[in-house]
Amino acid sequence: NAGVTQTPKFQVLKTGQSMTLQCAQDMNHEYMSWYRQDPGMGLRLIHYSVGAGITDQGEVPNGYNVSRSTTEDFPLRLLSAAPSQTSVYFCASSFTGLAGAGELFFGEGSRLTVL
Amino acid sequence: GEDVEQSLFLSVREGDSSVINCTYTDSSSTYLYWYKQEPGAGLQLLTYIFSNMDMKQDQRLTVLLNKKDKHLSLRIADTQTGDSAIYFCAEYSGTYKYIFGTGTRLKVLA
Repeated sequence: NAGVTQTPKFQVLKTGQSMTLQCAQDMNHEYMSWYRQDPGMGLRLIHYSVGAGITDQGEVPNGYNVSRSTTEDFPLRLLSAAPSQTSVYFCASSFTGLAGAGELFFGEGSRLTVL
Repeated sequence: GEDVEQSLFLSVREGDSSVINCTYTDSSSTYLYWYKQEPGAGLQLLTYIFSNMDMKQDQRLTVLLNKKDKHLSLRIADTQTGDSAIYFCAEYSGTYKYIFGTGTRLKVLA
C-alpha cells in the first residue's frame, strides 16, 4: 500500500541551488498537487494538475516549476532556491469526478532548508 | 479572496470533549473537510460534510455546519491522548483548489 510517495524526506540547499522534489502515486489519481506548510499559515497550494500534460498555478507558484508527463508522477522543481522557500512540502492526490476533486491523499512530506 | 480561519491551539483533559472551530468565506464551497496531521506525517482525512448538510456524526466525531455564519466545527467526544495532533479544516469550491485553514494544535492532557 504505497499511496503517495515523496522523496527526499529531508534536504538542505544553499541559496541559488536547484533541486527537484519527487512525488509518485500508485492509485491512478488524475489530480495531483503540491502544498507548502509554514508555521501559522497552514497549507498553501503551489501547483496542481488534473491529468497528464495539464498543470496550473495555485496560490504561491513563484519560484517553482512542475510538469506532469505521466499519471503517476508530479515532480516539483526549485530552479534557484531562496531562504524563503524553507518549508515542509506535501504532495497530495485525488480522484476527480463530477464534483471535481475528492478526498486528498497526502505524502509524508519533504522538509527543505535553504541556507 | 478565500480565507479559512482557525484558532491555533486547544488544550483539553483526557476524557473531555474537544471542539475545534473554523470559519470560511467562500459561500460556494461544496465540501468542507477535517484533516488530521500527526507529528512528522502528512494529513489524513478525518471526515467531511456536504454543504447541504447541517450535521454529520461518525463515531466520536460530530461535524456541525452553519452556512449562514460560514462556521464549521469538529467535536471529538471522549478525547484521548492519541487525538493529540494538528487539525485542519478545508473548503473545496469545485475549481480543483482546496483552501486549508491554519490548523489547530490539539493537546490532550492525561
